[in-house]
Amino acid sequence: NAGVTQTPKFQVLKTGQSMTLQCAQDMNHEYMSWYRQDPGMGLRLIHYSVGAGITDQGEVPNGYNVSRSTTEDFPLRLLSAAPSQTSVYFCASSSSVYEQYFGPGTRLTVT
Amino acid sequence: KQEVTQIPAALSVPEGENLVLNCSFTDSAIYNLQWFRQDPGKGLTSLLLIQSSQREQTSGRLNASLDKSSGRSTLYIAASQPGDSATYLCAVFISSGSARQLTFGSGTQLTVLP
Repeated sequence: NAGVTQTPKFQVLKTGQSMTLQCAQDMNHEYMSWYRQDPGMGLRLIHYSVGAGITDQGEVPNGYNVSRSTTEDFPLRLLSAAPSQTSVYFCASSSSVYEQYFGPGTRLTVT
Repeated sequence: KQEVTQIPAALSVPEGENLVLNCSFTDSAIYNLQWFRQDPGKGLTSLLLIQSSQREQTSGRLNASLDKSSGRSTLYIAASQPGDSATYLCAVFISSGSARQLTFGSGTQLTVLP
């Protein structure tokens, strides 16, 4: 049981490039979510999903795209990276009582 | 909009001291409240989860309480140790209609001095 896994651990992008942050969980959780963590801003919700085929926006969704084709995977896509998207990104999944389990994070730098 | 506040932002205590971390939230219609620990450069580790119908949860030297009506939670750490040094985050989960959202406080950075 690996829990929540995220790849890559580190990534450097140039402005305008696109990429996908991967997130997977093996706990059969319906609810999954993405957060970004920035100094002085704390953790903020980007997008979440309550099950395969269902996604919704969080507090800071602009510039990010998600889809949920399977229960296990919830990738986060950056369509055209900007320096403002430099951050640490965390994926989480939660149990039926919404206890959150977090992945180890992806540290993204956009130059 | 739910807002979560944690006081103090930073705390330094000598080893062995008992301490209390505070968390307050503006909207009492929460589903649950969760306390996390985050070490520098690492992810979040769940410490305690309190459902909205519960008043407290305990795990080892940790005890978390919840007063939903006043919008407050406390995390009590007994007999603190240098290994407890980390940032402690509280977060509240709202489940309302189709919305399912977790809102975090900004954290309390704890240093336990040997």
